[in-house]
Amino acid sequence: GQQLNQSPQSMFIQEGEDVSMNCTSSSIFNTWLWYKQDPGEGPVLLIALYKAGELTSNGRLTAQFGTTRKDSFLNISASIPSDVGIYFCAGQNGGGNKLTFGTGTQLKVEL
Amino acid sequence: DAGVTQSPTHLIKTRGQHVTLRCSPISGHKSVSWYQQVLGQGPQFIFQYYEKEERGRGNFPDRFSARQFPNYSSELNVNALLLGDSALYLCASSLQGGTGELFFGEGSRLTVL
Repeated sequence: GQQLNQSPQSMFIQEGEDVSMNCTSSSIFNTWLWYKQDPGEGPVLLIALYKAGELTSNGRLTAQFGTTRKDSFLNISASIPSDVGIYFCAGQNGGGNKLTFGTGTQLKVEL
Repeated sequence: DAGVTQSPTHLIKTRGQHVTLRCSPISGHKSVSWYQQVLGQGPQFIFQYYEKEERGRGNFPDRFSARQFPNYSSELNVNALLLGDSALYLCASSLQGGTGELFFGEGSRLTVL
């Protein structure tokens, strides 16, 4: 099935650094969402974006809905060890709960 | 409050067998969705049920079926298991049908030998 392209695929960062990752699609989405998945657990919703150009923050996390509706970006400021995990973007169209997920960005933090 | 609960957490089956996975949504949530997550990939949408009716189906063969019960819990059934069905099966609930804001369970890890 279709998966959105996320980059980078994985990254090591130093604790305290800022992180940026992005997600691109060949098709338009009306809603963009960012989820985080820890080992052995299901994804947890971080941020939801509903309008092109929208910039939304949740604590140290900031996400943007791209103006073309084909991409989204997630920034994490001042990384801490608990930020370790896999970050997935997801796009949605229509009124259902069919999400198209990205390939994931694995974040590893060096102490 | 309890989150989304799934059972069993782990199971091993052999090719050709069938499996039933169960999901209890968060209390008050009326929509349940099922996703398949193969190792190293993002989740893939299988089904959505809302108020006991199928509201969406992903690109999966007819061997996959699901239903939602009056108490909003759900079952996912997979018949004639193939090796490629080995995956983490995630159930997600939401208050209503269509915001995309899903609450996922921890999943059922299926291994097909």
